[in-house]
Amino acid sequence: DGGITQSPKYLFRKEGQNVTLSCEQNLNHDAMYWYRQDPGQGLRLIYYSQIVNDFQKGDIAEGYSVSREKKESFPLTVTSAQKNPTAFYLCASSQQGAIQPQHFGDGTRLSIL
Amino acid sequence: GQQVMQIPQYQHVQEGEDFTTYCNSSTTLSNIQWYKQRPGGHPVFLIQLVKSGEVKKQKRLTFQFGEAKKNSSLHITATQTTDVGTYFCAVNSGGSNYKLTFGKGTLLTVNP
Repeated sequence: DGGITQSPKYLFRKEGQNVTLSCEQNLNHDAMYWYRQDPGQGLRLIYYSQIVNDFQKGDIAEGYSVSREKKESFPLTVTSAQKNPTAFYLCASSQQGAIQPQHFGDGTRLSIL
Repeated sequence: GQQVMQIPQYQHVQEGEDFTTYCNSSTTLSNIQWYKQRPGGHPVFLIQLVKSGEVKKQKRLTFQFGEAKKNSSLHITATQTTDVGTYFCAVNSGGSNYKLTFGKGTLLTVNP
């Protein structure tokens, strides 16, 4: 089955540590996205990538970094500079072209110890 | 970037009642997408509207795009407990075909 796999499902981090969230897709999609979801806030875009080796900042990129070395993978690093990292993180992908539906992974819930 | 207001934030209904959520923008939209997120789950794409005045139906769900392309609605007829979840609209923003701005969502709960 094609889909998006996010791991781990739950992640705990000590203050001051960087942590990397994994996102892998086998849908052969060119575009990939990272969103942050907080209660009552909807989804906010952190970074997106239209193609391998290219990515753009979204609305709340501060304190986060990404890479896109392979089409299938778009890992997100939450750095120690992110002041309030506790949230639900969702990865998505879509086909290339004029506005396509986005397909989401099951998410990673990050908590600070 | 593009802003979109979604109302209401919460809606509780008795099973069998109808439900409507609205998305409003101050600017003309090129298109709008709707997603559903079940409790504890991830958003799932429902539909995309592109044309002015467009109406699309999926079983008990009816989606409308306003004539001025500044608002949209999702209407559910005779709600069922399986309709529980948060419904989000999403609009294209920032001059990019890839960048979506999501509304804050409407949480629907259904009393059986």
